[in-house]
Amino acid sequence: GIQVEQSPPDLILQEGANSTLRCNFSDSVNNLQWFHQNPWGQLINLFYIPSGTKQNGRLSATTVATERYSLLYISSSQTTDSGVYFCAVALFYGGSQGNLIFGKGTKLSVKP
Amino acid sequence: NAGVTQTPKFQVLKTGQSMTLQCAQDMNHEYMSWYRQDPGMGLRLIHYSVGAGITDQGEVPNGYNVSRSTTEDFPLRLLSAAPSQTSVYFCASSSGQGAVYGYTFGSGTRLTVV
Repeated sequence: GIQVEQSPPDLILQEGANSTLRCNFSDSVNNLQWFHQNPWGQLINLFYIPSGTKQNGRLSATTVATERYSLLYISSSQTTDSGVYFCAVALFYGGSQGNLIFGKGTKLSVKP
Repeated sequence: NAGVTQTPKFQVLKTGQSMTLQCAQDMNHEYMSWYRQDPGMGLRLIHYSVGAGITDQGEVPNGYNVSRSTTEDFPLRLLSAAPSQTSVYFCASSSGQGAVYGYTFGSGTRLTVV
């Protein structure tokens, strides 16, 4: 099956700093999503980005599908950005349409 | 409010007990799934459904059953709880074929089996 690797596993930032989170995947995919899990456990969909670049406020994401990686950029980090960031991918075929495979996440801590 | 609703939020079971985790969505999504989250493991797929009456197994289905009698509901049943099933369980739904529009997750159920 598809392997998803995220780096770094842990990241500590000072408020206001920028960061880049990386997601590598082992096969061609049709679907790639980034999620944020806040300290209370809620999972929020940040981006659906199987290719190209998207931006939403201080967050942006880029996926280079041909090279099998995606990057999540966080600019001017805030303490509310703390939590775990997950990358998830899916390949559509047969009965497994839409099944997301998750990486193990990057735990981000933003210090005031 | 539109979204995915999971109940209960917390549950403690004794080994061997059975229970059902409820999941309901009001977005008319065809695709629904159950994941479990364990420390350092990310989320792993238990079961999924591409529509009412259709279910299939994911990566870690042993010890769990599901059914999909309506579009809105996708309950997860633990047949005989074991300590290895202590975890946080998330239900998710999405619209469109192949889930191209992104997933919506419920708030999770934290289950402890003693």
